[in-house]
Amino acid sequence: AQKITQTQPGMFVQEKEAVTLDCTYDTSDPSYGLFWYKQPSSGEMIFLIYQGSYDQQNATEGRYSLNFQKARKSANLVISASQLGDSAMYFCAMREGGYSSGSARQLTFGSGTQLTVLP
Amino acid sequence: SQTIHQWPATLVQPVGSPLSLECTVEGTSNPNLYWYRQAAGRGLQLLFYSVGIGQISSEVPQNLSASRPQDRQFILSSKKLLLSDSGFYLCAWRARWGSDEQFFGPGTRLTVL
Repeated sequence: AQKITQTQPGMFVQEKEAVTLDCTYDTSDPSYGLFWYKQPSSGEMIFLIYQGSYDQQNATEGRYSLNFQKARKSANLVISASQLGDSAMYFCAMREGGYSSGSARQLTFGSGTQLTVLP
Repeated sequence: SQTIHQWPATLVQPVGSPLSLECTVEGTSNPNLYWYRQAAGRGLQLLFYSVGIGQISSEVPQNLSASRPQDRQFILSSKKLLLSDSGFYLCAWRARWGSDEQFFGPGTRLTVL
């Protein structure tokens, strides 16, 4: 089974409007972390936001917020007031397991959503 | 501040030729290091990770190998490239302790002809 599912291959949003990018995850581990990365056409992967499984509040970073619904196992990214520069591929990722000495704590990525902001 | 370098940025190689991609990290010690591959229009696939010098774990069977000769150096290699090795290769690092975020290098775009 897919550990991270992003069901929207492509999304369009009008400039200055908000947009929600969907992400659902699958894990039986009580300790995990969820991440969103942005990949512009240049290819670099830019970290946007992080949500820990035990965090009580939804994470926010500037115009980015993470709508964390633990019971539904969803971690949707909300971008407010979209800008043309937000056009990029967006990836949801998950780290399973808590801290342990020497742990690699690798991430599993979804297939991504291509966001296009229209002027 | 920490920075991560990858080279070369772009590479075109014939089938059957060897490969060596290099990744170095500055400004941190004892990082965890990762190699990912991204096929065109697809997500990232973890290839290798390393928690220390000489310690390499492979996630998928393939004709690629990785080495970590120094604390902040991670090398991806192949003795004979296949057409299917084409893709975008990203190196990433994460602090051994503390925050979970992985920080990525600029990537190497490999085309095997």
